[in-house]
Amino acid sequence: GAVVSQHPSWVICKSGTSVKIECRSLDFQATTMFWYRQFPKQSLMLMATSNEGSKATYEQGVEKDKFLINHASLTLSTLTVTSAHPEDSSFYICSAYERTGSSPLHFGNGTRLTVT
Amino acid sequence: AQKITQTQPGMFVQEKEAVTLDCTYDTSDQSYGLFWYKQPSSGEMIFLIYQGSYDEQNATEGRYSLNFQKARKSANLVISASQLGDSAMYFCAMREAPNFGNEKLTFGTGTRLTIIP
Repeated sequence: GAVVSQHPSWVICKSGTSVKIECRSLDFQATTMFWYRQFPKQSLMLMATSNEGSKATYEQGVEKDKFLINHASLTLSTLTVTSAHPEDSSFYICSAYERTGSSPLHFGNGTRLTVT
Repeated sequence: AQKITQTQPGMFVQEKEAVTLDCTYDTSDQSYGLFWYKQPSSGEMIFLIYQGSYDEQNATEGRYSLNFQKARKSANLVISASQLGDSAMYFCAMREAPNFGNEKLTFGTGTRLTIIP
């Protein structure tokens, strides 16, 4: 089946630094990828839709200057958390469709970010 | 208004029993899709089952089946013969207005299922 690879699995960084998370579709091309955030014991909330070769579409309330998304190729999207603060600590998970129609959204294994 | 509602925050079920996880949804679209995902403690999201709004039959995938009642806007997940490995968070999700695979999924708040040996 379709595989979405996300790296790193976990990261600890100091407040004020930036962190980059990579999301790759390994065996299919993804013109669109979705970035979700999940706080402990809560549901997944869509942060932004990443479109290959164009600007990402951010959900209401998500700071585009803080969460930089780059979808430079059909298999790679990156999320950079800039000037991270402790409140940015969360589980970030990317996803993509292998194909249209009834295809499920395939998820990466997620990145647990801890900002100290 | 919530688009996806899961009213059971947690459930405890005896091993080998069947369990039904509730999900209701709200949409004005005629064409939409409903999904169930399992999230173990490790965090990955595992796709379980899909139901399209125009599908006439309830979806089934092994021990998973979806009890789709369109008029009631409900899409309950039924797990038969539960196993210890079924212990996890379960999320119901909806995709509205299909647009060539670019539609986002909206998730419910989830149900934490615990299987008791």
